[in-house]
Amino acid sequence: NAGVTQTPKFRILKIGQSMTLQCTQDMNHNYMYWYRQDPGMGLKLIYYSVGAGITDKGEVPNGYNVSRSTTEDFPLRLELAAPSQTSVYFCASRNPDRSPLGTDTQYFGPGTRLTVL
Amino acid sequence: AQSVTQPDIHITVSEGASLELRCNYSYGATPYLFWYVQSPGQGLQLLLKYFSGDTLVQGIKGFEAEFKRSQSSFNLRKPSVHWSDAAEYFCAVVRGYNFNKFYFGSGTKLNVKP
Repeated sequence: NAGVTQTPKFRILKIGQSMTLQCTQDMNHNYMYWYRQDPGMGLKLIYYSVGAGITDKGEVPNGYNVSRSTTEDFPLRLELAAPSQTSVYFCASRNPDRSPLGTDTQYFGPGTRLTVL
Repeated sequence: AQSVTQPDIHITVSEGASLELRCNYSYGATPYLFWYVQSPGQGLQLLLKYFSGDTLVQGIKGFEAEFKRSQSSFNLRKPSVHWSDAAEYFCAVVRGYNFNKFYFGSGTKLNVKP
């Protein structure tokens, strides 16, 4: 079980360039999330998905797009990179179980460190 | 509106001392609350969670947390800190009518003195 994998690990972009951050999970989880973490800050939710074909905005969706054509993959697209998008990006998957003894948790990938210059 | 507040940015404790990390939330309904730990350069790992029932919850690595509705708090505790506990700790609340959206606090960085 690889869990949640993210590629690339590091990337430097020039202003105005575009790129796609890849995220794949092999746990058959319906829920997937994209977060960004700025230095000294907590995670901010960008987009999330509750299943293939279903996505919704989080706290900070501007400048990003997502798609979810399969259960396994949840790519994040930056169309016109800006310096404000310099951050570490984390993908997570989740199989919600809200019972008190349930195992509802998010499984996080290792992150992608993106710098926009 | 800020959903989760962690008032302590940095905390330093001596190895073997007790630890309490504070977390306050602002959410009208019964929240689902979580504590995560992040080691440098790593993703987040779940320590424990509260959904309902017993307000004192036990987690991994010897951590526990107590939900206090009257104080809107979910503080994380450990009776004796180990050097390996040095990391950043995040409190999170699930919101949204389907309980899908996670909101994280800004984190508390824990240093452990030998």
